[in-house]
Amino acid sequence: AQTVTQSQPEMSVQEAETVTLSCTYDTSESDYYLFWYKQPPSRQMILVIRQEAYKQQNATENRFSVNFQKAAKSFSLKISDSQLGDAAMYFCAYRRLKGAQKLVFGQGTRLTINP
Amino acid sequence: DVKVTQSSRYLVKRTGEKVFLECVQDMDHENMFWYRQDPGLGLRLIYFSYDVKMKEKGDIPEGYSVSREKKERFSLILESASTNQTSMYLCASSFKFHEQYFGPGTRLTVT
Repeated sequence: AQTVTQSQPEMSVQEAETVTLSCTYDTSESDYYLFWYKQPPSRQMILVIRQEAYKQQNATENRFSVNFQKAAKSFSLKISDSQLGDAAMYFCAYRRLKGAQKLVFGQGTRLTINP
Repeated sequence: DVKVTQSSRYLVKRTGEKVFLECVQDMDHENMFWYRQDPGLGLRLIYFSYDVKMKEKGDIPEGYSVSREKKERFSLILESASTNQTSMYLCASSFKFHEQYFGPGTRLTVT
């Protein structure tokens, strides 16, 4: 069974600084997707960024980028120029490429932005 | 924009009551999911459905059942609510192999 681990329950960063959230996962499959989801205090979960395992290039979305290390089964999220609106719970998630479409989530990291 | 709505944001029920949580999506998605969110555990899949009247057990189906009579609606049923089912419940939907879109969540308290 696949597992996802986020070892940082809480993180904080000064506004405008850069922060990196860690995620490791375990799977025996070679093709899969990895995601970072954001859940602001209003609770609507939204997708931040997605990485296909077969792509070597790290995904980027504006101020958000990932460091995908397939051999190490590591998938960290870097947030540059942190803004107050980035404060949220962040979840790392895994999904198989084919078959059942369920997401396997990590425990979450609560990110606080200090003004 | 994709919209996933859930019938209640907050719900308080008594032990032993039958509880219905409803989820509706407006984008004709085939797949729908029910997750439970607990602090320190992340989200865990309860049930999912990939078509009308079809359902599959997730990782923690015990104590729950689901119903999908129409494509846009996926209901989670707690046959006899217990205090250990106090949690946040999140519904999601997706089109085939595309990303999942989440509803706002229902905070259920069972007393």
